[in-house]
Amino acid sequence: GAGVSQTPSNKVTEKGKYVELRCDPISGHTALYWYRQSLGQGPEFLIYFQGTGAADDSGLPNDRFFAVRPEGSVSTLKIQRTERGDSAMYLCASSSASYNEQFFGPGTRLTVL
Amino acid sequence: GESVGLHLPTLSVQEGDNSIINCAYSNSASDYFIWYKQESGKGPQFIIDIRSNMDKRQGQRVTVLLNKTVKHLSLQIAATQPGDSAVYFCAENEGRAGNNRKLIWGLGTSLAVNP
Repeated sequence: GAGVSQTPSNKVTEKGKYVELRCDPISGHTALYWYRQSLGQGPEFLIYFQGTGAADDSGLPNDRFFAVRPEGSVSTLKIQRTERGDSAMYLCASSSASYNEQFFGPGTRLTVL
Repeated sequence: GESVGLHLPTLSVQEGDNSIINCAYSNSASDYFIWYKQESGKGPQFIIDIRSNMDKRQGQRVTVLLNKTVKHLSLQIAATQPGDSAVYFCAENEGRAGNNRKLIWGLGTSLAVNP
């Protein structure tokens, strides 16, 4: 079956613009996670969904970041008024209700000029 | 070859040798630990996991050892192959075992396998 997919694979935007990053989890996975990874570092947790609701959004750095998962499947990470410091790889992962293993997508490379 | 994680983020080994990658975790309440492999330009790939009620777990060519007393985790790769070259991360789960919760990641160790 298909794994986690993320679109776009690369996004270049200008400072101050709004961007949306999309994640399609593995079918049937109830949990979905967003992470941010800077070059040479480990992923940093942003937000975790269980179904449609955000179970833990403690990792979102500020109110410019927002994520939704309206139907409990696809999720969108939204960043308003982008800043150069937002440039990073944004990773999405999903897992089933029964297992802890998180399956990661290939990521979206965001570059803010 | 052996790394000490944060103090030696790059490990270089000869093909066929065994590799040991070390990780110190931070939270004594963590009850689930995972090793991930990340190749350049790709998302992390699950290797092996271990729960806190275990000291050792073996997979195919990989073994994870957990020492809760000193909060230390290691990944052993037997007969290292060029395809094992990647950055390896340990991650800890602060939630109750069986719950899906956020992962806290270490800094990673880069493994380079010389043919």
